[in-house]
Amino acid sequence: QLQLQESGPGLVKPSETLSLTCAVSGGSVTSPSYYWGWIRQPPGKGLEWIGNIYYSGGTYYNPSLKSRLTISVDTSKNQFSLKLNSVTAADTAVYYCVRPAVDRSGSCWFDPWGQGTLVTVSS
Amino acid sequence: SYELTQPPSVSVSPGQTARITCSGDALPKQYAYWYQQKPGQAPVLVIYKDSERPSGIPERFSGSSSGTTVTLTISGVQAEDEADYYCQSADSSGTFVFGTGTKVTVL
Repeated sequence: QLQLQESGPGLVKPSETLSLTCAVSGGSVTSPSYYWGWIRQPPGKGLEWIGNIYYSGGTYYNPSLKSRLTISVDTSKNQFSLKLNSVTAADTAVYYCVRPAVDRSGSCWFDPWGQGTLVTVSS
Repeated sequence: SYELTQPPSVSVSPGQTARITCSGDALPKQYAYWYQQKPGQAPVLVIYKDSERPSGIPERFSGSSSGTTVTLTISGVQAEDEADYYCQSADSSGTFVFGTGTKVTVL
């Protein structure tokens, strides 16, 4: 059974870079059937899609975050990562790593999800 | 930006039926998906492609679509169904969007 686990600093200073990693178990990040992605949820608020990456490196970013965002895959460690630079308090959220399921029509849903990790942006 | 609109809250007595709507202009052309999120937990997919139910999801969860509105129906609501529910779809440019969320309270 595919499982995802986020890790990274829980506190980031304003203007610095938020970096998170998602370890994949029960599957391989190089599987041609799989995409990998990130979603976030500010405390007490709704969900926001951040971006997806295909195993070969093709990326799909939320336009609202694209200028600050990098998602990458590390095949040697069977994990993928998120980097968001120039963060502000508005980036404080629980960050979830997810497996996007994408069919031939391009429809996409997210299953499973990691447990999530809270990242607070504060000095 | 594209928005999916849900009612903020729905209240239902145990054993009754809860219906949660999600409205968006692109829904006639895009599938919708539904997630259940309990306090302190990650969301869980309960419906995909408008009306399909993943394995392990109880039969009391069902989905339907009509025009610009999709609906999640929970028949015979149980106390354990109390949670936040989010719809999800895509806009015309392929950006994935979540609904505003609905809190289901079991009275």
